[in-house]
Amino acid sequence: QVQLQQWGAGLLKPSETLSLTCAVSGGSFSGYYWSWIRQPPGKGLEWIGEINHSGITTYNPSLKSRVSISLDMSKNQFSLKLSSVTAADTAVYYCARRVNIAVAGFNWFDPWGQGTLVIVSS
Amino acid sequence: DIQMTQSPSSLSASVGDRVSITCRASHSISNYLNWYQQKPGKAPKLLIYAASTLHSGVPSRFSGSGSGTDFTLTISTLQPEDFATYYCQQTYSNILYTFGRGTKLEIK
Repeated sequence: QVQLQQWGAGLLKPSETLSLTCAVSGGSFSGYYWSWIRQPPGKGLEWIGEINHSGITTYNPSLKSRVSISLDMSKNQFSLKLSSVTAADTAVYYCARRVNIAVAGFNWFDPWGQGTLVIVSS
Repeated sequence: DIQMTQSPSSLSASVGDRVSITCRASHSISNYLNWYQQKPGKAPKLLIYAASTLHSGVPSRFSGSGSGTDFTLTISTLQPEDFATYYCQQTYSNILYTFGRGTKLEIK
C-alpha cells in the first residue's frame, strides 16, 4: 500500500522560500504523477503542480512564476519550492499521487500525505 | 479555468437520512469528476472517480451520478462517520485541476 510522508519548515517570513519534501513508500514511483495541493485555513483546495517520473512538470498558471517541483528517484522523494512567500501562502500543503488511466483519460488523487501547515508571518 | 460550484455550502442532517450534494462545472467536463471526503485535521480521501465509480473500500451507501456539467454525490443512509466536508474536483482540464469550495455536512 502506497504511503506518502511529508515534512518541511512550518514557519516562514515574508519573501522567504517554502520548501517541502514528500517520501513515497510501498509502491512504484514510475508511472504516476506526483502533486502538491494546498488548503488555506478554513478554505478549499488548490492544485499547485506536479511532476512525473521522467521529471516533466506542470504548474498552476497562477503560481508558475514562483513554483518549482523536483524529484529524487534514488530516494523515492519529490519536493516543492515556492519562492517569495506572503501571508496569502499560509496553508496546509499536501503531497498526493495522481493516478492516470491513460486509455480512458480519468485521473484522481490518491493517496495523500498527512499535510504540513505552513504559516507565513513577520 | 473550469470553475466548480458546489451546493449547498453546508448541510445539516441526521443519522439515517439520505443526502445529496450537487456540483456544477462551468464547462462540460464529460464525466471527469471526482469526489473526496475530508475530516477535520485530515487529508482528503478519494470516494468516487469518473463521476460514478466507487473507489476501493468506499461503502456502497455512497454513489455518484452526472455527466457534462451537473453532478451529484448521494449518501443513501447517513452514518455517524460520514459527517465531514465533501469536495468535487474536475480532471477534464489537464492544465489545471480545480476543486469545488466544499460542502460541510453537519449533524442536525
